[in-house]
Amino acid sequence: QQPVQSPQAVILREGEDAVINCSSSKALYSVHWYRQKHGEAPVFLMILLKGGEQKGHDKISASFNEKKQQSSLYLTASQLSYSGTYFCGTETFGTDKLIFGTGTRLQVFP
Amino acid sequence: DAGVTQSPTHLIKTRGQQVTLRCSPKSGHDTVSWYQQALGQGPQFIFQYYEEEERQRGNFPDRFSGHQFPNYSSELNVNALLLGDSALYLCASSLGGNTEAFFGQGTRLTVV
Repeated sequence: QQPVQSPQAVILREGEDAVINCSSSKALYSVHWYRQKHGEAPVFLMILLKGGEQKGHDKISASFNEKKQQSSLYLTASQLSYSGTYFCGTETFGTDKLIFGTGTRLQVFP
Repeated sequence: DAGVTQSPTHLIKTRGQQVTLRCSPKSGHDTVSWYQQALGQGPQFIFQYYEEEERQRGNFPDRFSGHQFPNYSSELNVNALLLGDSALYLCASSLGGNTEAFFGQGTRLTVV
C-alpha cells in the first residue's frame, strides 16, 4: 500500500533539474508532496487533487496522472535550499489517511 | 500563530513502561494525525482523530491508543513499550481531510 518513489537518491549541482516520481498500486484521490530536512519536521509543498492536474510555485511543480496512479515532482534550476528528503503522501478513495512513500534524498552541491 | 506544537521534544523510557505524547494543532485545525518515523524511513500512519473520535487507523497494535479533546488537542499513548518503539513521533494537523497537513517538530522517543 505504501507508494514507491524513484529514484531513492539524487545528487545535483546548483542550477540542475531533477524529477522525483511517486507510484501507487491503489487508485488515488490525492497526492501530497513534502520536503523534510535532517532533524526537522516535514514541510508541505503542494497537494494535487484531480487527474492530470499540475501545480507549481517558484521552480517546483508537480503533476498527477490519476489513471496511472502516478505523480511526479519537478525541481528546476535547483538551489542549495532544495536539499532534503522528499516524500509523497497518497490518499485513496474513501479514506482520509495519508500514506507516505519511501522517500527520495536530494542533495544539491555548489 | 504557534503552528503545531508537540511535547515533550525528547523522552527516554524503559521497556515495559507507558508513555503519553501531546500535540496542540495549528489554530483553526480540527483534525490530528499521528505518525511514527523510524530513522531513515518515511512517516508511518498510526491513526487520525476528528471530532474526538478515531477516524482512521494504520497497522499498529492496540498498545497504541489516542485521544482528542474538545479543543482539538490530542494525546498518543503507548503501553508496554518495546525497543522497536524507539522513533520520532510526529503529529500533523489539518482542516478536515484532503487538505495540507502541518507537522509539529516531533517527539523523539528512545526506549532502553
